[in-house]
Amino acid sequence: RKEVEQDPGPFNVPEGATVAFNCTYSNSASQSFFWYRQDCRKEPKLLMSVYSSGNEDGRFTAQLNRASQYISLLIRDSKLSDSATYLCVVNKDNFNKFYFGSGTKLNVKP
Amino acid sequence: DAGVTQSPTHLIKTRGQHVTLRCSPISGHKSVSWYQQVLGQGPQFIFQYYEKEERGRGNFPDRFSARQFPNYSSELNVNALLLGDSALYLCASSLAGRPYEQYFGPGTRLTVT
Repeated sequence: RKEVEQDPGPFNVPEGATVAFNCTYSNSASQSFFWYRQDCRKEPKLLMSVYSSGNEDGRFTAQLNRASQYISLLIRDSKLSDSATYLCVVNKDNFNKFYFGSGTKLNVKP
Repeated sequence: DAGVTQSPTHLIKTRGQHVTLRCSPISGHKSVSWYQQVLGQGPQFIFQYYEKEERGRGNFPDRFSARQFPNYSSELNVNALLLGDSALYLCASSLAGRPYEQYFGPGTRLTVT
């Protein structure tokens, strides 16, 4: 079983739409959680950390449910520039191991 | 400041050969991690090094090895290359105080024929 599972998409949404991505992780010992963004043919970049209480950064909201081992990312008012692959990342062993999901592809259309 | 740099950019090797990939972290970053990314998949963790010591290892065979030098640069070595080793190899560095914030290099595209 994979450490991190994501819906590969693609999610095709119009500008201004709200879109949500989900991610599940298999190991209850996982300690920290993140969302990274990867543009086509580019390297991944940290989008935001995910805290137990949930956290927001502008149009982006991340949620964590440890009991269900589930992480989500909500994007409001989608922009064309949000088109990318969003990677769910789980950390174990005090930041010594990071596990990436396969990514969810988002296409925002005009 | 320069970001994470990797060399070479592209590489073509034959099955059974050996390859060495190089990574220079951002100045001040002491931790370096290596990942393998196959097309359509997320990066798969291979190794993490901090202060020249291996701190984490992913589920990769012993054909994969790495080391970190006193200047914190790193090398990833792969022996006895297989066709399945064809992938983008990414290096990421992070600050000691912010290990969760990894900065990735552009990667080395390895093709094994």
